[in-house]
Amino acid sequence: DAGVTQSPTHLIKTRGQQVTLRCSPKSGHDTVSWYQQALGQGPQFIFQYYEEEERQRGNFPDRFSGHQFPNYSSELNVNALLLGDSALYLCASSFPGTGNEQFFGPGTRLTVL
Amino acid sequence: DAKTTQPNSMESNEEEPVHLPCNHSTISGTDYIHWYRQLPSQGPEYVIHGLTSNVNNRMASLAIAEDRKSSTLILHRATLRDAAVYYCILVGGSNYKLTFGKGTLLTVNP
Repeated sequence: DAGVTQSPTHLIKTRGQQVTLRCSPKSGHDTVSWYQQALGQGPQFIFQYYEEEERQRGNFPDRFSGHQFPNYSSELNVNALLLGDSALYLCASSFPGTGNEQFFGPGTRLTVL
Repeated sequence: DAKTTQPNSMESNEEEPVHLPCNHSTISGTDYIHWYRQLPSQGPEYVIHGLTSNVNNRMASLAIAEDRKSSTLILHRATLRDAAVYYCILVGGSNYKLTFGKGTLLTVNP
């Protein structure tokens, strides 16, 4: 049973560029959440997708957008990259419901130069 | 979001029990108490969660105070592989996100 997978593993971009990160949820999961983790900090919630809709959003600007596909996989898009967007981007999948655990992928390390 | 308070760091010896505390005095009646851990260079990993009663699984035990204002994650026999940052997180109501604080950095000595 494959867990949560993310691609690419590492990515280097320059300021002003756009980036797309991809996530495939754990088999049977239909909810995908995205988190940003800066060096030395805990992960920060970006948004969550369920039934192809953004269900909840954290305190991130509109430059951060996402999409969920019918097969439950998801993309995170970041436009007009800033140096401060350099971080580990984590995807987590789950069943809906507050009592259910989220399963995290290994993350995509984004470096903005 | 209801807030949790954890010690910045704790140290343990291998094969000894570890008790990781968490205070959550503003917890609401519908908040679940979740614990996650993050090993170096990995994504967070779910450990355990509970609502009111103590919980056990293959990884750990969760002891919840009667007033639910605090909880303790118990690792019965620490191994070197348990060295990680441990996060205590409240999840409830229509809030689906995990709000990570700084967590507790657990060091396990051989």
